[in-house]
Amino acid sequence: EDQVTQSPEALRLQEGESSSLNCSYTVSGLRGLFWYRQDPGKGPEFLFTLYSAGEEKEKERLKATLTKKESFLHITAPKPEDSATYLCAAAIDNYGQNFVFGPGTRLSVLP
Amino acid sequence: DSGVTQTPKHLITATGQRVTLRCSPRSGDLSVYWYQQSLDQGLQFLIQYYNGEERAKGNILERFSAQQFPDLHSELNLSSLELGDSALYFCASSGGNRLYNEQFFGPGTRLTVL
Repeated sequence: EDQVTQSPEALRLQEGESSSLNCSYTVSGLRGLFWYRQDPGKGPEFLFTLYSAGEEKEKERLKATLTKKESFLHITAPKPEDSATYLCAAAIDNYGQNFVFGPGTRLSVLP
Repeated sequence: DSGVTQTPKHLITATGQRVTLRCSPRSGDLSVYWYQQSLDQGLQFLIQYYNGEERAKGNILERFSAQQFPDLHSELNLSSLELGDSALYFCASSGGNRLYNEQFFGPGTRLTVL
């Protein structure tokens, strides 16, 4: 069964304290690994797409990496405005459960 | 603002009723996706339409149906509503026809079934 898990479930950081979020996936036929940010009561906001192992992408304080089994979202020197739930999702090219989201990591950055 | 619009923002109805949620994609996007997000299930992919045709299907119940019209807006119809259908329903759009194209999400419709 295709599955995406994320850890930790919740993370509290002090402003400036760097850390990493993990997304592990067990899917057949990965076509893309996505990272989204979601603020409470709002729709997810696209951050990155990674297509192959070894790929890395950066945007401001965020850097996403991909291996054959997992992806990491590294947050460098976070600020309070980075507080949100971070979701990863796997796009799978099968007819059926084609786009599988992980449960998310709830990040709180304290000033 | 992603450019994707959804109406209504909130909907309160009773069990057994039928509702229609509406989505307008970003200008130029041909794909529309529907998702359900509840506290216990997380974000679940329901269905995708590309240029008016069903492209991919996820965990969509038989009581639910969707369509995409010639002007590319989409509607999600939910019938015989149950308490468990209470959730946030998101629409997303993309320019391509593949699930691994970058998707832009709307603000969502919060459905409450009493």
